[in-house]
Amino acid sequence: AQSVAQPEDQVNVAEGNPLTVKCTYSVSGNPYLFWYVQYPNRGLQFLLKYITGDNLVKGSYGFEAEFNKSQTSFHLKKPSALVSDSALYFCAVSPRGGNNRLAFGKGNQVVVIP
Amino acid sequence: DARVTQTPRHKVTEMGQEVTMRCQPILGHNTVFWYRQTMMQGLELLAYFRNRAPLDDSGMPKDRFSAEMPDATLATLKIQPSEPRDSAVYFCASGVPSQGSQPQHFGDGTRLSIL
Repeated sequence: AQSVAQPEDQVNVAEGNPLTVKCTYSVSGNPYLFWYVQYPNRGLQFLLKYITGDNLVKGSYGFEAEFNKSQTSFHLKKPSALVSDSALYFCAVSPRGGNNRLAFGKGNQVVVIP
Repeated sequence: DARVTQTPRHKVTEMGQEVTMRCQPILGHNTVFWYRQTMMQGLELLAYFRNRAPLDDSGMPKDRFSAEMPDATLATLKIQPSEPRDSAVYFCASGVPSQGSQPQHFGDGTRLSIL
């Protein structure tokens, strides 16, 4: 069965500094990897995905993520954090695509300090 | 933009009452997922459907929860009788499995409080 680990409960970063949210996964076969963001009182919103190809994928709002097969990681990054990036971030994995059963991590609360 | 619509957005009711939550998936999406989010357990998959047939409902307490898709435009999640421990935010998501590279699309949830 697939699983995701997001080791940190909360990530604090100063506005303008680089932001990294960590994710490691376990899955049989080739992974389909996703990052979602959740703002207060809203549903999860898709940020970016890795399916195949270039290990560095770019997504919405200036976010990017790096797929590392040997380390089974898919860390989310943003070069310069904004206060508006404060939210809950979820990593998810599936062996068969985003519209099949996904395994979600527990989520990481990101706090960007002005 | 096409969106998944959930109703009601908020529901407060007393223990023992029946609760029905509704979801309208994005037109053309034939897979529907139900999730529950709590502080303690995080995001849990309760059940999911494809072409209106249940594929997996192992995450759902069978004695009080039921999920159905009366038609392609409506999915329902019912709790009867409700208990305080059911208080959570319930999300619906939809997608198209043939487009495996595409993400699930989430609604904004139903915030349920059982008193």
